[in-house]
Amino acid sequence: LAKTTQPISMDSYEGQEVNITCSHNNIATNDYITWYQQFPSQGPRFIIQGYKTKVTNEVASLFIPADRKSSTLSLPRVSLSDTAVYYCLVGGLYGGSQGNLIFGKGTKLSVKP
Amino acid sequence: DAGVIQSPRHEVTEMGQEVTLRCKPISGHDYLFWYRQTMMRGLELLIYFNNNVPIDDSGMPEDRFSAKMPNASFSTLKIQPSEPRDSAVYFCASSRPGTGFRSPDTQYFGPGTRLTVL
Repeated sequence: LAKTTQPISMDSYEGQEVNITCSHNNIATNDYITWYQQFPSQGPRFIIQGYKTKVTNEVASLFIPADRKSSTLSLPRVSLSDTAVYYCLVGGLYGGSQGNLIFGKGTKLSVKP
Repeated sequence: DAGVIQSPRHEVTEMGQEVTLRCKPISGHDYLFWYRQTMMRGLELLIYFNNNVPIDDSGMPEDRFSAKMPNASFSTLKIQPSEPRDSAVYFCASSRPGTGFRSPDTQYFGPGTRLTVL
């Protein structure tokens, strides 16, 4: 079971780059790393997914070191609208087990003006 | 696509009453998930289906909870009888995994149903 550990909360200011790190020491060889964003009163929304090295899309970048025991979500130049809870998930659907679909408590990011 | 649709958006009921939550997944998605979210416990997976068949219901808290998926476009989560501690936001999500045995999957969540049991 690939349990993840993230900071409970983070504060930032508009225009800054924010990096949220997730630890997943027990990641399995075939596990992927996925990040979701959740705004108040809404369901989580997919942000980015990766397996190794670096992945970038129009919203964020995901950095995964060679040992894959951690990953870092990078949000460039955050704005007030990036205030949300960010979840790191490791794994996926396989073997009929829900054990990999654990969202945890996430990281509450507060962006200030 | 309209996304995942859930109804009702809000439900207020009294202890002991039956509650039925409904979900319509995204067309073409063959996985459907039910989650519960509270401040104390965060987001918990209750059960998920693949091709309308329940795969893992180990997250269902107790026998008062039941879920069905009679067809690919509809699922229900029922609580009978409801209790105050069931008050939470219930999310439905669907996904269509990629290829491969351990394929990555992106879940698309509905807006949720906020349940209050008095």
